[in-house]
Amino acid sequence: EDQVTQSPEALRLQEGESSSLNCSYTVSGLRGLFWYRQDPGKGPEFLFTLYSAGEEKEKERLKATLTKKESFLHITAPKPEDSATYLCAVQAGAGGTSYGKLTFGQGTILTVHP
Amino acid sequence: AAGVIQSPRHLIKEKRETATLKCYPIPRHDTVYWYQQGPGQDPQFLISFYEKMQSDKGSIPDRFSAQQFSDYHSELNMSSLELGDSALYFCASSHGPRGGLYEQYFGPGTRLTVT
Repeated sequence: EDQVTQSPEALRLQEGESSSLNCSYTVSGLRGLFWYRQDPGKGPEFLFTLYSAGEEKEKERLKATLTKKESFLHITAPKPEDSATYLCAVQAGAGGTSYGKLTFGQGTILTVHP
Repeated sequence: AAGVIQSPRHLIKEKRETATLKCYPIPRHDTVYWYQQGPGQDPQFLISFYEKMQSDKGSIPDRFSAQQFSDYHSELNMSSLELGDSALYFCASSHGPRGGLYEQYFGPGTRLTVT
């Protein structure tokens, strides 16, 4: 069974204090790893897709990296508006057995104080 | 840019009633996914459709059914509602053939409350 574990569960930062969120996964044939941002009561907002180990993607203050076992979401000099829950999800299925469903981790609740 | 549209945004039902949730995917997206998110939990995959055919099935109760129509919108029908069905229900859409690796874009969700 595919498993995704995110840590820490919650992270409190001061504005400008850089840090990283972790996403560890166990899947049978990773096809892609996705990062989403979710604000309370709203739908997940797509951030990044990573397809293979060694890949990196950046967007403003966020940078996502991928290894064979985990992914990191690095947040550089965060601002209060970066406060949200960050969800990691995997799309798996070796041999074309996956039709796209995502398996999510529990998320990391990020709070950035001014 | 157009996003995924879900209706209604909020729904209050009593136990044993039925509910229908609607999802309108992003234009030209042909795949629709339904997820359920309980309080403080991560989204759980329910069911998906590609080109109006069911393509995958997750932890969807037998009391629930869904379909995708010719205009690609989808409806999730929920019968004999239970208190435990109270949750946020998200629809996501993507563009691409079955098994393809494409980003899923989520709608704003429908908050279902069962009393």
